[in-house]
Amino acid sequence: KAGVTQTPRYLIKTRGQQVTLSCSPISGHRSVSWYQQTPGQGLQFLFEYFSETQRNKGNFPGRFSGRQFSNSRSEMNVSTLELGDSALYLCASSQDTNTGELFFGEGSRLTVL
Amino acid sequence: AQTVTQSQPEMSVQEAETVTLSCTYDTSESDYYLFWYKQPPSRQMILVIRQEAYKQQNATENRFSVNFQKAAKSFSLKISDSQLGDAAMYFCAYRSAVPWGGNKLVFGAGTILRVKS
Repeated sequence: KAGVTQTPRYLIKTRGQQVTLSCSPISGHRSVSWYQQTPGQGLQFLFEYFSETQRNKGNFPGRFSGRQFSNSRSEMNVSTLELGDSALYLCASSQDTNTGELFFGEGSRLTVL
Repeated sequence: AQTVTQSQPEMSVQEAETVTLSCTYDTSESDYYLFWYKQPPSRQMILVIRQEAYKQQNATENRFSVNFQKAAKSFSLKISDSQLGDAAMYFCAYRSAVPWGGNKLVFGAGTILRVKS
């Protein structure tokens, strides 16, 4: 069974640009969550999608958005990039049971210059 | 809001020895889940062990066990017979059990575990 796949793995952008990151969950998983990981702030929850609906949202500005498609694949978009958006963005999928186990991808490393 | 605190930024252990990583959390909820995740240098995080708050018995998974003290809001991870492959960043995480909580995890800052041969 394939794991969580995130693309691209690495990308470099400049301030003011926008970026779209993609996440393909494990087959059968309907919940997809996104996390931002930085040395200073650690791991912070961005949002979660379940059956194409945003179920939870973290405390991030509106420049951060996401969506989920009918096949459970998810994308997140960051517009008007700032230097502080440089981070590892992790996607996690789940079967959405009470065990709450999340399966993480390897992440997308975004560098904003 | 819930918070998770890991007070040990870095720990070292000799191969084959035992090490304990600390975690405390703050919540007003009575039902929740606690997790330890491991993030090796390759960055993919994997679940090490989970604990349901309503269970008094401490969870164990092979060489990994937890000491769950609900009243003290403490959730430490013990790694026995440490191996070189245990070297990684370890995160303690909290998840609410409320139906609308979804799969949102609140993470601690992490503890880097170094294993010496």
